[in-house]
Amino acid sequence: DQQVKQNSPSLSVQEGRISILNCDYTNSMFDYFLWYKKYPAEGPTFLISISSIKDKNEDGRFTVFLNKSAKHLSLHIVPSQPGDSAVYFCAASESGGGADGLTFGKGTHLIIQP
Amino acid sequence: DTGVSQNPRHKITKRGQNVTFRCDPISEHNRLYWYRQTLGQGPEFLTYFQNEAQLEKSRLLSDRFSAERPKGSFSTLEIQRTEQGDSAMYLCASSFSGIEAFFGQGTRLTVV
Repeated sequence: DQQVKQNSPSLSVQEGRISILNCDYTNSMFDYFLWYKKYPAEGPTFLISISSIKDKNEDGRFTVFLNKSAKHLSLHIVPSQPGDSAVYFCAASESGGGADGLTFGKGTHLIIQP
Repeated sequence: DTGVSQNPRHKITKRGQNVTFRCDPISEHNRLYWYRQTLGQGPEFLTYFQNEAQLEKSRLLSDRFSAERPKGSFSTLEIQRTEQGDSAMYLCASSFSGIEAFFGQGTRLTVV
């Protein structure tokens, strides 16, 4: 039973355009959400996070939106750059990080085309 | 380098052998996590330490797996009597009483 779902295994976007990565969750106890970026043969790198008390968090080119009623969050990257090509993981946590760490989705492979 | 360090980066072992991995967290971080990632999946939680105390273990962590964090610093993850299904990337992460865990580069285990 997957509690965090990323339904798009891959996404191709033209350089300079907006990339939108989506994530859905089922566990209503999740109250903190994170996005990680992963290059091949490396560990995941923290990108941006959002608490459930907010509906938007922005950091430079990256914005995460949270819709609690729909149990849905999205990561917007604008403008997309070639270095953004990577696998993006959505992760969720219960309060305080939870004693069980993070629950990850399966990831979306973002490909930025020149 | 002040990031999370994992050794070795790669390990090939024969089925039935024991293997041990090491993780050195970011020095001021009191929480340390072990995750496992297989192809096409996201990382899956295995176990978690706060300082030297192991506070949580996933049901994924069979009796053949054991983790330690002596003195609340580095951690080791041992797999006894390895099986082919243990082949995966083993990731270590650390955080300071917070949410934003920082990951190491992982140890890729191949059981032949």
